[in-house]
Amino acid sequence: NAGVMQNPRHLVRRRGQEARLRCSPMKGHSHVYWYRQLPEEGLKFMVYLQKENIIDESGMPKERFSAEFPKEGPSILRIQQVVRGDSAAYFCASSPTTGRNEKLFFGSGTQLSVL
Amino acid sequence: AQSVAQPEDQVNVAEGNPLTVKCTYSVSGNPYLFWYVQYPNRGLQFLLKYITGDNLVKGSYGFEAEFNKSQTSFHLKKPSALVSDSALYFCAVMSSSNTGKLIFGQGTTLQVKP
Repeated sequence: NAGVMQNPRHLVRRRGQEARLRCSPMKGHSHVYWYRQLPEEGLKFMVYLQKENIIDESGMPKERFSAEFPKEGPSILRIQQVVRGDSAAYFCASSPTTGRNEKLFFGSGTQLSVL
Repeated sequence: AQSVAQPEDQVNVAEGNPLTVKCTYSVSGNPYLFWYVQYPNRGLQFLLKYITGDNLVKGSYGFEAEFNKSQTSFHLKKPSALVSDSALYFCAVMSSSNTGKLIFGQGTTLQVKP
């Protein structure tokens, strides 16, 4: 059973370009979470999605960031018009159900570098 | 608001010695607490969790954590450290919103020297 798959592992963009980060959850998992890890900081929650629905986007910046989890295919975190401050590691996690005692399974992350 | 604090940026121990990585939390209601470990260039791996029951929770790789309600702490421990335990450790609390959202501490780097 493959784990949570994220691609690409490394993504380099110039300021103003768009970044698309993909996450395929573990088989049978319908809950996806995106976290951002800035240098020297812990992980910060960004968004929680179920299939075709955004459940909690309280951690998403108000502009330029969007996320989706379509019925078919991976979850996508999209960052438009990237700026240097967007440089970070972006982690996706999934779980089979939701609930306060559910553990999350994390992918290896996408390291975004904005030049 | 819920929060987690890890007061030490780095912990250094000698191989074979016991280790403790500290974590304190602030939540309303009953806490759901977790420890995760991150190895270089890898995602986080689950170590253990406290939901209810015994205050001493045993997890993966010989780690355990002690829940202390009066001190609002959930320190990670291991009786005998290994060099391979060197990694970044995160304490986390589950949001009370029942959405599975984790709130992480800032992380503690554990260095185990031979």
